[in-house]
Amino acid sequence: DSGVTQTPKHLITATGQRVTLRCSPRSGDLSVYWYQQSLDQGLQFLIQYYNGEERAKGNILERFSAQQFPDLHSELNLSSLELGDSALYFCASSAVWSSGGSGELFFGEGSRLTVL
Amino acid sequence: AQSVAQPEDQVNVAEGNPLTVKCTYSVSGNPYLFWYVQYPNRGLQFLLKYITGDNLVKGSYGFEAEFNKSQTSFHLKKPSALVSDSALYFCAVRVYGNNRLAFGKGNQVVVIP
Repeated sequence: DSGVTQTPKHLITATGQRVTLRCSPRSGDLSVYWYQQSLDQGLQFLIQYYNGEERAKGNILERFSAQQFPDLHSELNLSSLELGDSALYFCASSAVWSSGGSGELFFGEGSRLTVL
Repeated sequence: AQSVAQPEDQVNVAEGNPLTVKCTYSVSGNPYLFWYVQYPNRGLQFLLKYITGDNLVKGSYGFEAEFNKSQTSFHLKKPSALVSDSALYFCAVRVYGNNRLAFGKGNQVVVIP
């Protein structure tokens, strides 16, 4: 158990709909990362938050948005869903280097999104 | 930009034989390298990392990795593969400026009984 919790584990929805994926990081971790895993694109970095602030942005579509709340949990919002958005979405967290973290990310079990 | 490459799609090995999964990296500055494993329908699990120090890094489940600066490689190894090692293996590098990791495409390892 990595200590990172993601909900829901599975989600089936229709094209054009909107969904929200939720992530609770490991206790004490300030950084949260979102990744998308699909068969054709591999593991793609979407976005990173650190203590509520956006820190880095990757290949995240404009239809997608995220935020990190004061209690450090994070949500990834996916809207106007398309068939190609079907994928496994992972959240990961890490400790900061200055407080003993050494760089590894700890991943949740993922949220599998199926768009029909 | 920091990146890693995993040249093989699939690695097949007989149970009990040595297992090697290849990874090469491209970084500016000192590389921080990682290996993760993903079992079916599971999240990625951290195996080991190289930050500095000894070129041979030991990790979980009997895995080790050898950092080779001259060849810019960080190959994952296990002396004797088990059927339970069948999984998807990812090499990753820390992106300078923040803590995110850039992952390779992954290697499917199949250990044949």
